[in-house]
Amino acid sequence: GAVVSQHPSWVICKSGTSVKIECRSLDFQATTMFWYRQFPKQSLMLMATSNEGSKATYEQGVEKDKFLINHASLTLSTLTVTSAHPEDSSFYICSAPLNEQYFGPGTRLTVT
Amino acid sequence: QKEVEQNSGPLSVPEGAIASLNCTYSDRGSQSFFWYRQYSGKSPELIMSIYSNGDKEDGRFTAQLNKASQYVSLLIRDSQPSDSATYLCAGGGAFSGGYNKLIFGAGTRLAVHP
Repeated sequence: GAVVSQHPSWVICKSGTSVKIECRSLDFQATTMFWYRQFPKQSLMLMATSNEGSKATYEQGVEKDKFLINHASLTLSTLTVTSAHPEDSSFYICSAPLNEQYFGPGTRLTVT
Repeated sequence: QKEVEQNSGPLSVPEGAIASLNCTYSDRGSQSFFWYRQYSGKSPELIMSIYSNGDKEDGRFTAQLNKASQYVSLLIRDSQPSDSATYLCAGGGAFSGGYNKLIFGAGTRLAVHP
């Protein structure tokens, strides 16, 4: 099946700093990628749709100026959490659709 | 608000038994449904997809869809301890970027004990 990678797999940062998470489709091109966030013992919540060559589409309640998404190429989307705070600590997962949605392994962000 | 509802569990079954996981959804326009398995600390992996009313079988897994009742289920036969995980039900929602957005339920924790 198709493979999606994420980098880093985990990151710890200090409050107020920015963190960039990369999502790559390794063996297929993805004009669309999705970014999810999952808090402990909760389900996946869609944050935004990343569109290659155009602006991302954010779900209601997600601050687009805080969660910057850039779909730089057909295989790479990045999510930057700006001015991170402890409440942004979460598991961030990307997916890329082909015939189904293929999920990356996730990035665990801890903000201290 | 389009929702997918699941019993959070935990659902505890003995090894070798049938585990039955259930899910209801509110959006009558949803045409596609998915069951994902998620181990602790890992991302979801697709178990089954179902698009038509009725049953769909794949190995030990059977997905059932009843659009009139807005109900989806997953049966796991001959449950194994390795099946212990959280099972997420997802429905295909609105289109975004040419693809269906997925609306996930909260997940049901399954524990298979030897």
